[in-house]
Amino acid sequence: QQPVQSPQAVILREGEDAVINCSSSKALYSVHWYRQKHGEAPVFLMILLKGGEQKGHDKISASFNEKKQQSSLYLTASQLSYSGTYFCGTEGDTGNQFYFGTGTSLTVIP
Amino acid sequence: KAGVTQTPRYLIKTRGQQVTLSCSPISGHRSVSWYQQTPGQGLQFLFEYFSETQRNKGNFPGRFSGRQFSNSRSEMNVSTLELGDSALYLCASSFQLATSTDTQYFGPGTRLTVL
Repeated sequence: QQPVQSPQAVILREGEDAVINCSSSKALYSVHWYRQKHGEAPVFLMILLKGGEQKGHDKISASFNEKKQQSSLYLTASQLSYSGTYFCGTEGDTGNQFYFGTGTSLTVIP
Repeated sequence: KAGVTQTPRYLIKTRGQQVTLSCSPISGHRSVSWYQQTPGQGLQFLFEYFSETQRNKGNFPGRFSGRQFSNSRSEMNVSTLELGDSALYLCASSFQLATSTDTQYFGPGTRLTVL
């Protein structure tokens, strides 16, 4: 029931774009996205609720395709500060079980 | 505005003991969620409390319990500690339930080591 994230790791140069995917085998009610830098607590990025909405702030946005039980996080014109591990968290459509994804390590180099 | 605080920050216990961790949410926040993070299992959801009621619970044994007080401060307790309970325990607070569109704010975590 743990969602699967892809890719596991990605290295970008400043200014490049990246997409991180989060797929679940269960119907979803919500998808949360977090970023965690090494040695620090996670930082909440955004939550998407069932309804297929797309959200974003600054150059980070996300979409939620409830039919595919999949969410994607889009990082455009990446900055050095985007480096970290990105986690998705999903809540199932039935019951309240919440699971984190396997994580995606993103490194932005100059 | 003060952030989420967790006490203690570091803790060393031995197998079989019990431990209580504390989380003080941001003022005005009514939801507190707890998470466990280990290198092997990654991030796992423990439970969420909202207005003193447990709203959601992860897949953890009954040794893990929690509560929330009327001032929204929350505690989690782990009884009969096992080596595998060594982890970083994180709490996060938000004004509404964690499944709302509210932003969650994380505390720095409590690093528990079980010997």
